[in-house]
Amino acid sequence: AQTVTQSQPEMSVQEAETVTLSCTYDTSESDYYLFWYKQPPSRQMILVIRQEAYKQQNATENRFSVNFQKAAKSFSLKISDSQLGDAAMYFCAYRTSMEYGNKLVFGAGTILRVKS
Amino acid sequence: GAVVSQHPSRVICKSGTSVKIECRSLDFQATTMFWYRQFPKQSLMLMATSNEGSKATYEQGVEKDKFLINHASLTLSTLTVTSAHPEDSSFYICSAKGLIHNSPLHFGNGTRLTVT
Repeated sequence: AQTVTQSQPEMSVQEAETVTLSCTYDTSESDYYLFWYKQPPSRQMILVIRQEAYKQQNATENRFSVNFQKAAKSFSLKISDSQLGDAAMYFCAYRTSMEYGNKLVFGAGTILRVKS
Repeated sequence: GAVVSQHPSRVICKSGTSVKIECRSLDFQATTMFWYRQFPKQSLMLMATSNEGSKATYEQGVEKDKFLINHASLTLSTLTVTSAHPEDSSFYICSAKGLIHNSPLHFGNGTRLTVT
């Protein structure tokens, strides 16, 4: 079974600075998807960024980018120019690409605090 | 974009009663819906996977007779917490997947259940 590990329960960053959230995973599959979700106090799950394992290029979405290291099974999220609205719980998630396996496996989450 | 409506957003019930939570895909057909449970400051724990027209698949340790899941149409899945007890108090979130293989998952806004 796949597992996702987020080793940082909490992180803090100064507004306008850059922060990196760590995520590692374990799988025997070669093709899969990785995601970062943001959950603000409203508890709504918001997709931040998605990476297909077969793509070598790291995904980016505006201020959010990932460092995907397939061999190391590492998938970190970098938030540049942090804003107060980035404060939330961030979850790393894994999803198999096989047709029957659509479920997401989540990490434990990292609470991100942004200081003004 | 795709919208998933989850209702109610909050519910308080007395111990021993049953509560039904609805998850609707508003602008797409969802072949698969997932039900998660989340405790404060913790990750999302998958409870069960429901496919339209068939029985739900429950994760290990989840009581299927207590958490009844029905997925009678391509736009609606329901979770009924039967004979609720205070320990069932939690945040429940559904997510839905469209017809196309590897289509993204869309989350509802969640339901906060309090059993008194």
